[in-house]
Amino acid sequence: AQTVTQSQPEMSVQEAETVTLSCTYDTSESDYYLFWYKQPPSRQMILVIRQEAYKQQNATENRFSVNFQKAAKSFSLKISDSQLGDAAMYFCAYRSGRGGGADGLTFGKGTHLIIQP
Amino acid sequence: DAGVTQSPTHLIKTRGQQVTLRCSPKSGHDTVSWYQQALGQGPQFIFQYYEEEERQRGNFPDRFSGHQFPNYSSELNVNALLLGDSALYLCASSWSHPNYGYTFGSGTRLTVV
Repeated sequence: AQTVTQSQPEMSVQEAETVTLSCTYDTSESDYYLFWYKQPPSRQMILVIRQEAYKQQNATENRFSVNFQKAAKSFSLKISDSQLGDAAMYFCAYRSGRGGGADGLTFGKGTHLIIQP
Repeated sequence: DAGVTQSPTHLIKTRGQQVTLRCSPKSGHDTVSWYQQALGQGPQFIFQYYEEEERQRGNFPDRFSGHQFPNYSSELNVNALLLGDSALYLCASSWSHPNYGYTFGSGTRLTVV
């Protein structure tokens, strides 16, 4: 079974600075997808960024980028120019490439990101 | 375009009772997945429905069951509620091959007393 580990229960960063959230995963599969989701107090999970394992290029979405290290099974999220609206729980998630996604997502325990004004 | 809609938003039930939670997927999505999120934890996969059938199931007992209707909406049923079933229940919809991720609803907060 796949596991996802987020070793930072909480992170704090000054507004406008850069912060990196860590995620490691364990799998024996070669075909899979990785995601970062944001969960604000409204509770809705919002997709931040996704990465296909077969792609070597790191995904980027505006101020959000990932550092995908496949051999090390590491998938960190970098948030540049942090904004107050970035404050939320951030979850790293894994999805197998087998079965068309029928297995659902495997989530880590999350990192609570605090933005200091 | 409405996203994923879940009802009710909050619910309080007594131990031993049964509960039904509802989910309407995002327009154009045909697959619905359900997750349980205990306080302070990441969501855990319960099951996924596609073409009105349970496609895959996580490590949850048979007390948890579901249904998908022809319009792709879905229900999650939990029988014989336990105190440990208290959690946020999230519904996520997608296309059948969700390479682009899932769209989540805001969840139903279930409290069992």
